[in-house]
Amino acid sequence: QQPVQSPQAVILREGEDAVINCSSSKALYSVHWYRQKHGEAPVFLMILLKGGEQKGHEKISASFNEKKQQSSLYLTASQLSYSGTYFCGSEGISSASKIIFGSGTRLSIRP
Amino acid sequence: DVKVTQSSRYLVKRTGEKVFLECVQDMDHENMFWYRQDPGLGLRLIYFSYDVKMKEKGDIPEGYSVSREKKERFSLILESASTNQTSMYLCASSSPLDDLAKNIQYFGAGTRLSVL
Repeated sequence: QQPVQSPQAVILREGEDAVINCSSSKALYSVHWYRQKHGEAPVFLMILLKGGEQKGHEKISASFNEKKQQSSLYLTASQLSYSGTYFCGSEGISSASKIIFGSGTRLSIRP
Repeated sequence: DVKVTQSSRYLVKRTGEKVFLECVQDMDHENMFWYRQDPGLGLRLIYFSYDVKMKEKGDIPEGYSVSREKKERFSLILESASTNQTSMYLCASSSPLDDLAKNIQYFGAGTRLSVL
């Protein structure tokens, strides 16, 4: 089953913050986050391996609550370059290497 | 830099044709994947392969088959293309053995297939 992402779409002004949530019905080994810009391939942002782990990448960070099987992606002081579709991917404990992606969150940043 | 190359960016085929989508990676990755991307549905896994000649069904394998005769190449085959297979197809590769990038997926640019 695909992880559930929310919201499906977000429109921000430059400088505003956003949170994208990802929830899985299965026990997770890890959570991956990817960004896909329009017309391009998805690109890896970060992976969270341990429960409660938070990782950062520029002004983009993420957390992973293993017990709740949830992850959140935080975009701080958004820039125009952050526009794109964000996908979370869940890697199950019993199916290592295989990632099931959510339906995506489309983020639009306006000047 | 990891490079995943898909042979065509755009393809137009007719209903009933046999279609081959090719993917090549240059990083000696063990795992290779085929996804289908449709608006609102995200990336759905069709098939993946964890070794040469090994394959496993993903979530939507119906109407598709795959072939992996060499480690670097993974082919997606539509035996008899149908209009509901019109979509963007993405190939990816990863390695479970890379300590620094374990199971991180690297994607190709995609093939947009139209079946008329």
